[in-house]
Amino acid sequence: DGGITQSPKYLFRKEGQNVTLSCEQNLNHDAMYWYRQDPGQGLRLIYYSQIVNDFQKGDIAEGYSVSREKKESFPLTVTSAQKNPTAFYLCASSFSSSTDTQYFGPGTRLTVL
Amino acid sequence: AQTVTQSQPEMSVQEAETVTLSCTYDTSESDYYLFWYKQPPSRQMILVIRQEAYKQQNATENRFSVNFQKAAKSFSLKISDSQLGDAAMYFCAYRRVGAGSYQLTFGKGTKLSVIP
Repeated sequence: DGGITQSPKYLFRKEGQNVTLSCEQNLNHDAMYWYRQDPGQGLRLIYYSQIVNDFQKGDIAEGYSVSREKKESFPLTVTSAQKNPTAFYLCASSFSSSTDTQYFGPGTRLTVL
Repeated sequence: AQTVTQSQPEMSVQEAETVTLSCTYDTSESDYYLFWYKQPPSRQMILVIRQEAYKQQNATENRFSVNFQKAAKSFSLKISDSQLGDAAMYFCAYRRVGAGSYQLTFGKGTKLSVIP
């Protein structure tokens, strides 16, 4: 089965803690993305990666960090510097061309207690 | 910067009827892509339809079709023979073409309800 998986589905964090969200894909896609979704809002880009060992900031990268050590994996760390981390996080991937469609994972709901 | 506007926060349609969701966008680019994504209660984003700006012909996918008006910067989605499973949030998205143009810009969404 080809697709994008995200884990966990629900995540709770205490204030001041870092937490890492997992995103894995077996679609052989080169590019991967992290988006944040808040109630009543569309998705906003946090980070994206076009190839292994390379990534760029999106519109709202402050308080987040990523790594891309493997083609299949693009984990997102929400750090304590992120002022309002409670949100729904979606990972996506696509082939490398700018003409290619992005496909999304099922998402992770992060709640800060 | 590109912006995408969905002016209808909520809409409803009777089962088996047709509904049109509106989307307008702002860009200075001549070549770009437009998308409609569906987000059901499971919250996974599902691609509904995609339109290349350089193509005159409107895209269609089964019961879903678009009305793409490039000069007016309008990209509406028509759902025919609406089904209960069509109930979801629908997001319009824009993506320009070219080096480094990986970012999707989303509208705020339209919540579609389907009345049995």
